[in-house]
Amino acid sequence: GAGVSQSPSNKVTEKGKDVELRCDPISGHTALYWYRQSLGQGLEFLIYFQGNSAPDKSGLPSDRFSAERTGGSVSTLTIQRTQQEDSAVYLCASSSRREGTDTQYFGPGTRLTVL
Amino acid sequence: GQQVMQIPQYQHVQEGEDFTTYCNSSTTLSNIQWYKQRPGGHPVFLIQLVKSGEVKKQKRLTFQFGEAKKNSSLHITATQTTDVGTYFCAGLNQAGTALIFGKGTTLSVSS
Repeated sequence: GAGVSQSPSNKVTEKGKDVELRCDPISGHTALYWYRQSLGQGLEFLIYFQGNSAPDKSGLPSDRFSAERTGGSVSTLTIQRTQQEDSAVYLCASSSRREGTDTQYFGPGTRLTVL
Repeated sequence: GQQVMQIPQYQHVQEGEDFTTYCNSSTTLSNIQWYKQRPGGHPVFLIQLVKSGEVKKQKRLTFQFGEAKKNSSLHITATQTTDVGTYFCAGLNQAGTALIFGKGTTLSVSS
């Protein structure tokens, strides 16, 4: 596609429920990132996928968070047993990771609200 | 762990005034990137600096990368209302796998 797309754009859920957020990266981009942005805050790195390599999960805040990337393209971020502090905008970005540059193209984000 | 700090957190200027945001890393960076996020929008890439002491310009925006590659700045000359937004700097983490973003500087401009 022309850019990174994410769905849903908004998600309201009840505390304790599981949610799945989806990211469609730019076609041909081998790198995919998930970030979390709380209101008025910066971007918090969550997880990074590069090609077929094992993902860098160092940013995941707890074991309730997981992500997968199927076929090197679409990625889903799953949050189990959601908590109110999980409320934030979840941003996905992709990159071609050409040598010497790593420009990241961000999707519009999914705004998650946990009641 | 590796940290990227930005100051100031907020800045309000009158249209036409200059604006500068500063970015400091706790470790040497291989490169630094700058992004702009408009209110309600998502971050958009502005520029990447790679070389020590590098200076790049985009119209009224001037980006600098420090000699030690641990700090950077973004200077906007004669701000306009279209410059409103949050400016983030970002450097690669030590594993070289992902960008560590600063918390951003939010610029507001009154006409």
